[in-house]
Amino acid sequence: DAGITQSPRHKVTETGTPVTLRCHQTENHRYMYWYRQDPGHGLRLIHYSYGVKDTDKGEVSDGYSVSRSKTEDFLLTLESATSSQTSVYFCAISDPRSYGYTFGSGTRLTVV
Amino acid sequence: ELKVEQNPLFLSMQEGKNYTIYCNYSTTSDRLYWYRQDPGKSLESLFVLLSNGAVKQEGRLMASLDTKARLSTLHITAAVHDLSATYFCAVDISFGNEKLTFGTGTRLTIIP
Repeated sequence: DAGITQSPRHKVTETGTPVTLRCHQTENHRYMYWYRQDPGHGLRLIHYSYGVKDTDKGEVSDGYSVSRSKTEDFLLTLESATSSQTSVYFCAISDPRSYGYTFGSGTRLTVV
Repeated sequence: ELKVEQNPLFLSMQEGKNYTIYCNYSTTSDRLYWYRQDPGKSLESLFVLLSNGAVKQEGRLMASLDTKARLSTLHITAAVHDLSATYFCAVDISFGNEKLTFGTGTRLTIIP
């Protein structure tokens, strides 16, 4: 989507390895989010950020950490990937002034 | 904890027919969102409903919000094949610390 990019788009990794997903925005929005999407669950919030170095947990945060050292970048790290973390991960940004949320294209992660 | 429920989960309907998708949520909120997702794609924003009684329409889709009943509906009029997709509702209740909670989605299939 315009103004928000995720990388990589696809990744296959082995159980127990660390993995970092990147979300980059050019909109200068304050809020950034990481969601995972799994069949039958919709999208569930992992972590979110409301400013540089300001982050908080979502409903499914176990096994994940995040960092935001710059406004434009929000990193999601799986410290030691497990098969249960096989999923599609979406980053989102929001501008409270316009009540709008914009989603990235997603990262398909497979843990084998 | 906020719960967002959609029904039905799956909907198969013929072209030309009308149908409604329902979204119930458990906590007071004045902001409700509808998204569309095509297979393998990201989420596309359809509607943002910001107050009780809000109604928005775009083409064959119309969304409404009843905050007292904690209910939103997405009505499809004279369905066409191009509307086949998964539709999500999402609720935002954290004023000042915004984050979306999603329903599980409704997979809509329009049969020619």
